[in-house]
Amino acid sequence: AQKVTQAQTEISVVEKEDVTLDCVYETRDTTYYLFWYKQPPSGELVFLIRRNSFDEQNEISGRYSWNFQKSTSSFNFTITASQVVDSAVYFCALPSYNTDKLIFGTGTRLQVFP
Amino acid sequence: NAGVMQNPRHLVRRRGQEARLRCSPMKGHSHVYWYRQLPEEGLKFMVYLQKENIIDESGMPKERFSAEFPKEGPSILRIQQVVRGDSAAYFCASSPRRAQETQYFGPGTRLLVL
Repeated sequence: AQKVTQAQTEISVVEKEDVTLDCVYETRDTTYYLFWYKQPPSGELVFLIRRNSFDEQNEISGRYSWNFQKSTSSFNFTITASQVVDSAVYFCALPSYNTDKLIFGTGTRLQVFP
Repeated sequence: NAGVMQNPRHLVRRRGQEARLRCSPMKGHSHVYWYRQLPEEGLKFMVYLQKENIIDESGMPKERFSAEFPKEGPSILRIQQVVRGDSAAYFCASSPRRAQETQYFGPGTRLLVL
């Protein structure tokens, strides 16, 4: 069965610290996509990244980077030099087997203090 | 280039009333998904629709809930005879086509049942 596990419920850091959010998944698909979304305190869901299982290269976008390791079924997200505006709940997601509905992890709440 | 629109943003209903939630997908998107987020939880899939068709309603409660996406106009999620347990944030997402494309989310409708 498809499953996404975000074991870290809540993380607190001080501004400028680096922080890594973990995501471990289970899937029956041989090819699949993985997603990260951000939910700031205002409540909307913001798309961050979509990653193909074929491509194991790390991806960097500004202060954000993603480490995809197919061998350990992990897709971790690192924020470098965190800022207060990064405070949000972050969700990792995976499409359900042979469908398009997304299976979400339970989210990691990140609090960045000044 | 408007994103996914949802209205109302907040909806208050008394037990037994009906709730109608609307979703207009992004321009060019013909696939709509509804998810529910209970307080302090992740998002759970409810239903997936294309124009005039329900593709997957495996996550929708069998009673009181229905969804449609007519040829013209927004997608509607309808909850009849609401109960307190229906209080949640309801998110709509859209994508241009199937095959695990990125789903872009609207701002959500926060339903409160008194």
